[in-house]
Amino acid sequence: DVKVTQSSRYLVKRTGEKVFLECVQDMDHENMFWYRQDPGLGLRLIYFSYDVKMKEKGDIPEGYSVSREKKERFSLILESASTNQTSMYLCASTLGAERPYEQYFGPGTRLTVT
Amino acid sequence: QKEVEQNSGPLSVPEGAIASLNCTYSDRVSQSFFWYRQYSGKSPELIMSIYSNGDKEDGRFTAQLNKASQYVSLLIRDSQPSDSATYLCAVKRGAQKLVFGQGTRLTINP
Repeated sequence: DVKVTQSSRYLVKRTGEKVFLECVQDMDHENMFWYRQDPGLGLRLIYFSYDVKMKEKGDIPEGYSVSREKKERFSLILESASTNQTSMYLCASTLGAERPYEQYFGPGTRLTVT
Repeated sequence: QKEVEQNSGPLSVPEGAIASLNCTYSDRVSQSFFWYRQYSGKSPELIMSIYSNGDKEDGRFTAQLNKASQYVSLLIRDSQPSDSATYLCAVKRGAQKLVFGQGTRLTINP
């Protein structure tokens, strides 16, 4: 089974703090993704990575950066957290070259910025 | 116009009936379509993928694709209370990315 894990289920941070969200997958997947999910807005892509050190902006990259130093790990960084970044953050990875579009999700991190 | 649109619901269906979930998309050249199920407080899980026009069946689930009309449907036969969840439609965009609809909340009433 594909296993995608995220470092925290719940996180509370203060405005202006630097926040790191980590995601690890154990299936040697090439592609990894960060989404945020908000009521009424669905899942929106923040960033994705198609290889180590390679990244591409998604639909809402402002205020975020990412890091992928190892194939299995993809980090989302909030440089200076703001209250409008309070959300559920979901990491995903793809099944592999045979099915590059079928994404498998981690359990999510609910981030609250106060 | 949103790239992927779903009726957010809630959609309420009696147990044992057929639940019908619909999704429309704006990019005519889209080729790959997916349905994800998300239980409350959980992350989305892939339940169906469809790439060709017509129907694809998997147990009680049937995905339907009509590229000419640019819509995708998910039918759930013999609906069970355990099918109560939010269903997300997703469409492949470019290489390796998905665009998701906002999801339809489905409630199956015993």
